[in-house]
Amino acid sequence: DAKTTQPNSMESNEEEPVHLPCNHSTISGTDYIHWYRQLPSQGPEYVIHGLTSNVNNRMASLAIAEDRKSSTLILHRATLRDAAVYYCILSAYGQNFVFGPGTRLSVLP
Amino acid sequence: DSGVTQTPKHLITATGQRVTLRCSPRSGDLSVYWYQQSLDQGLQFLIQYYNGEERAKGNILERFSAQQFPDLHSELNLSSLELGDSALYFCASSAERWVAENYGYTFGSGTRLTVV
Repeated sequence: DAKTTQPNSMESNEEEPVHLPCNHSTISGTDYIHWYRQLPSQGPEYVIHGLTSNVNNRMASLAIAEDRKSSTLILHRATLRDAAVYYCILSAYGQNFVFGPGTRLSVLP
Repeated sequence: DSGVTQTPKHLITATGQRVTLRCSPRSGDLSVYWYQQSLDQGLQFLIQYYNGEERAKGNILERFSAQQFPDLHSELNLSSLELGDSALYFCASSAERWVAENYGYTFGSGTRLTVV
C-alpha cells in the first residue's frame, strides 16, 4: 500500500487559515489523493480528493505539489467544528483505503 | 445523517459471546466496507462486499465473518469475543466497486462494542 506521512498534531486559532501537510514520496502516477476527517465520536467523512491539479470545494482546498510527492489540505477559516483527525490517503484502482494515524487538529477560540 | 445506518449504536457483552452488527448502505450503493477502530490500532480495514459477493479482505480475524444480503444490507458477526475486540466498528458504502477516482466512501456513525 502507498504510504503517507502526516504530523501527529497541529494547532490553529479560530478564523485563521490552516495548512495540513502530507508527504507521499512513493506515490504512483495513478494514485488519487484523498482527505477525510473524523470528528469526535463520528465516522470519517470525505473532505476532498484530487489527482494532479489543485482542487477546491465548499469545505477546503487541496494543493498538490508539481511532482505529486506532497500535498496540503487548506482550511481557509478554521472554526471550532473543524477540530478533528485529518487523514491523507492514497488510493489506486483496485485498492481499498488504508488509514494512517492522521493529524489531530486542535482549534483554539 | 450520512445515509449509512449502523445498528446498534452501543453494545456491551461478555467475553466468549457472539454479536451481530448491522449496516444499511446509502441508497444505490453496492459496496459495503467494514472497518475496526481501536485506540491502539487506528482504523483497520476488515472486509469489503460488492453486490453480495466478498471482494477484498483485510485484517479480519477468523472469529469474525460478514455477509451482504440481496437487499444490500450487511452484517458483521463477531464470535468468541475477547476483551481486545472492544472497539468502534464502522461500516462504509460506495456506489462503485473501486473508489479511487470518485468521492470514496460514506461512513456510518459506528457501533461501539464493549467486551467485559
